[in-house]
Parts: sequence; structure tokens; C-alpha cells
Amino acid sequence: GESVGLHLPTLSVQEGDNSIINCAYSNSASDYFIWYKQESGKGPQFIIDIRSNMDKRQGQRVTVLLNKTVKHLSLQIAATQPGDSAVYFCAENSGGSNYKLTFGKGTLLTVNP
Amino acid sequence: SQTIHQWPATLVQPVGSPLSLECTVEGTSNPNLYWYRQAAGRGLQLLFYSVGIGQISSEVPQNLSASRPQDRQFILSSKKLLLSDSGFYLCAWSDGSGYEQYFGPGTRLTVT
Repeated sequence: GESVGLHLPTLSVQEGDNSIINCAYSNSASDYFIWYKQESGKGPQFIIDIRSNMDKRQGQRVTVLLNKTVKHLSLQIAATQPGDSAVYFCAENSGGSNYKLTFGKGTLLTVNP
Repeated sequence: SQTIHQWPATLVQPVGSPLSLECTVEGTSNPNLYWYRQAAGRGLQLLFYSVGIGQISSEVPQNLSASRPQDRQFILSSKKLLLSDSGFYLCAWSDGSGYEQYFGPGTRLTVT
């Protein structure tokens, strides 16, 4: 079936470096994507989203890139800080329903001081 | 601004006991509401969603049920808990467009 997956389950970076978290999706009909950050013991927190009619969107220290040709989504975090340590999930709305998101398995980002 | 609440924050229940988790949303009307379960170190599994009072859609057959007695209240229940029901339960809401979802703080359920 259709799914959203991540290339890397864990990522360790040094404080101040840039981080890139990747996500592959298989449903070409997906028209909306979200990145969430989940700190230990807390609910996921919205970071940034992108619609399928865009290939790049920037927020504060974060950038999401969408490559529809290869069905790939990435989250770039600039100047990674210890507070960025968390699990990051990508999610897609598959277009067929406005009510459901399909979540990837998550990537654990660890920032070393 | 909108706020979503869940309680209790943590719960330890014996196998075979009933369950009731509550979620409420403030600052919005007619939200879409969702219940997810997250096993340790895993992703989010959608259990139920609701687009209006009394309207519940189930995603996974199991011994859990959901109800929406009021516009901004969503309840997750079980008559008899199983060990496999342990996990982190998350409630979320979205507006009429249904895209972006906002999550509550979660309930950590341990079935012993």
C-alpha cells in the first residue's frame, strides 16, 4: 500500500552544523506534506508544511524541499542547536481524504554539544 | 488562540479494566478530531477520527472505541484493556480544511 518512509532512523550532528532529514513517499497523489518535531514524552509539534505545487519553503532556521520527480521530501535545519534534539516525522495528506495524514516512522536527531 | 487538552497525563491500569481518555479543544468550532496511538520508538497509528458530533470513523479494528458527545470533546474508551493497549495516546485537531493537525500533550497508558 501507499506509505511514507524515512531513509535514516537516526542522525547525530554537532551543534552549529546543518542537519538534513530525509523522507520518501510513494503516493504520487499526495498534495500536502508536513514535518513534525516530537520531544520525548510530548505530543508532535508542527514545524513546517509544503504543498505539492511548491518545491521549497523556508521558515525560521528550517527549510523543506520537495522533489516530486523522485517523491522525496527533506527537512533542513540550519545551525542545529541542542534544543533541536527530537524525533522528526514527515506526514502526507494523500489528497483522497482531507481528514487523514499518513505519518512516516520518524528520525531521531541528536545534537552533540 | 486554540488549545488542546488531554487527561490524564499518565495512567496505569490492570488488564481487563475499563478505560476512558478525554480530549478537549478550546478556541475553535467544529474541528476535526483524531485519536492516535504511538508505541515506544514507533510512528503514529491513526485509531479514530471525527468530523462532527456523533460521527466517528474507525481506522483499526480493536477493543477500543471513540465518542464525540460535544463539538470539542473526544473520548477514547475500552471496556476491557489488553496488554497490547499500552502506549502513548495522542489527540489531535484540525480545522475544516483537514490538513494541518495540532496535537495534545498525550496520555501515557501502561497496562499491567
